[in-house]
Amino acid sequence: QTVVTQEPSLTVSPGGTVTLTCASSTGAVTSGSYPNWFQQKPGQTPPRPLIYSTSIKHSWTPARFSGSLLGGKAALTLSGVQPEDEAEYYCLLYFGGAWVFGGGTKLTVL
Amino acid sequence: QVQLQESGPGLVKPSQTLSLTCTVSGGSISSGGHYWNWIRQHPGKGLEWIGYIHYSGGTYYNPSLKSRVSISVELSKNQFSLKLDSVTAADTAVYYCARVGYGDFGYWGQGTLVTVSS
Repeated sequence: QTVVTQEPSLTVSPGGTVTLTCASSTGAVTSGSYPNWFQQKPGQTPPRPLIYSTSIKHSWTPARFSGSLLGGKAALTLSGVQPEDEAEYYCLLYFGGAWVFGGGTKLTVL
Repeated sequence: QVQLQESGPGLVKPSQTLSLTCTVSGGSISSGGHYWNWIRQHPGKGLEWIGYIHYSGGTYYNPSLKSRVSISVELSKNQFSLKLDSVTAADTAVYYCARVGYGDFGYWGQGTLVTVSS
């Protein structure tokens, strides 16, 4: 069973920069994994899509969010973090047929 | 603008079959480049991909659920459906339908809570 691993929690100061990562148990994450990133705040449904295909932003995604591949992982970087960015963030990877979500990263802005 | 809407019973008895339908509006389910997914989220937990179907009928399921899951498509109604057999309390979750195309999971339904209880 393929496992996708994210940091369980991260803390960042307002105005700071933070990078969330998404790793695969099968090896390096590549563009062929079509990494997607989602934001979910408490009580919010559905999760809000932020990034797809590694680095492509949706029209509604704030400019401070960016996606990349970093050291064999997918990465989501928030630059100039705002208090409203406090949320759970999920990554999603493609494995030749199946999709697998990461367990989520709880981002605290403090 | 594509919109997806889940519908179905909010309460299912243990050992029975959970059945949900996703109605797609603002776009055709027969669009070749898209796959139509079911995803669930247990209360207070993370997201779990259940499976997808292509309009041609091709499917792919989460290996952990494969023995109990079936996804079908109804082209004439622009709908696709989920059936999950032999449910238990562990299947209580918010169920979402979503579209993926060219790696983009940008369109989701609002989700529907299904509770498994007698």
